[in-house]
Amino acid sequence: GENVEQHPSTLSVQEGDSAVIKCTYSDSASNYFPWYKQELGKRPQLIIDIRSNVGEKKDQRIAVTLNKTAKHFSLHITETQPEDSAVYFCAASSDNYGQNFVFGPGTRLSVLP
Amino acid sequence: KAGVTQTPRYLIKTRGQQVTLSCSPISGHRSVSWYQQTPGQGLQFLFEYFSETQRNKGNFPGRFSGRQFSNSRSEMNVSTLELGDSALYLCASSSRPLAGEPHFNEQFFGPGTRLTVL
Repeated sequence: GENVEQHPSTLSVQEGDSAVIKCTYSDSASNYFPWYKQELGKRPQLIIDIRSNVGEKKDQRIAVTLNKTAKHFSLHITETQPEDSAVYFCAASSDNYGQNFVFGPGTRLSVLP
Repeated sequence: KAGVTQTPRYLIKTRGQQVTLSCSPISGHRSVSWYQQTPGQGLQFLFEYFSETQRNKGNFPGRFSGRQFSNSRSEMNVSTLELGDSALYLCASSSRPLAGEPHFNEQFFGPGTRLTVL
């Protein structure tokens, strides 16, 4: 089955700097890669996603890149703000598996003022 | 549209008891997936229901079961509770397409049910 690794497990950046979180996946059949943000005590919320037919996607300060050959994808947050502090999860899924998302272990991002 | 709702939000049970959790998806969403979230194991997939049928199942023992009703609401049941079942149980809904339509995977999570087993 699919296995998703995520690095780093914790990340501290100064406000205004960029943050990058990387994930690798094992199943070449995976074709959908969402990123979720979970603030303390709250539900995971989708912040951006990418499908395997696209190499990069941007939404304001957030971008995701996908390298299908190397089976890795990354989340990029620019101009970080204190409200970006949260746990970020990457996930991978395939049409073959329906709505079975395999999540990475998460990255705790702290943006220091 | 109202978001995904889960009831109850908090539960305290003792070992050996059973528990039923409920999830109401976003209106129009026919797929409901369940996840277990713990500090040690992260987010783990339990099962997915679509059109009242279990479509996918994760690697959890048979004590974990679920069902889905005709209105797409779903319930999850855990029997013979163990201490290790203490976790946040999240459900997520999505608008799984009809046959022939592009597969649409975006999932929206509910607030979760915090289960504590003593």
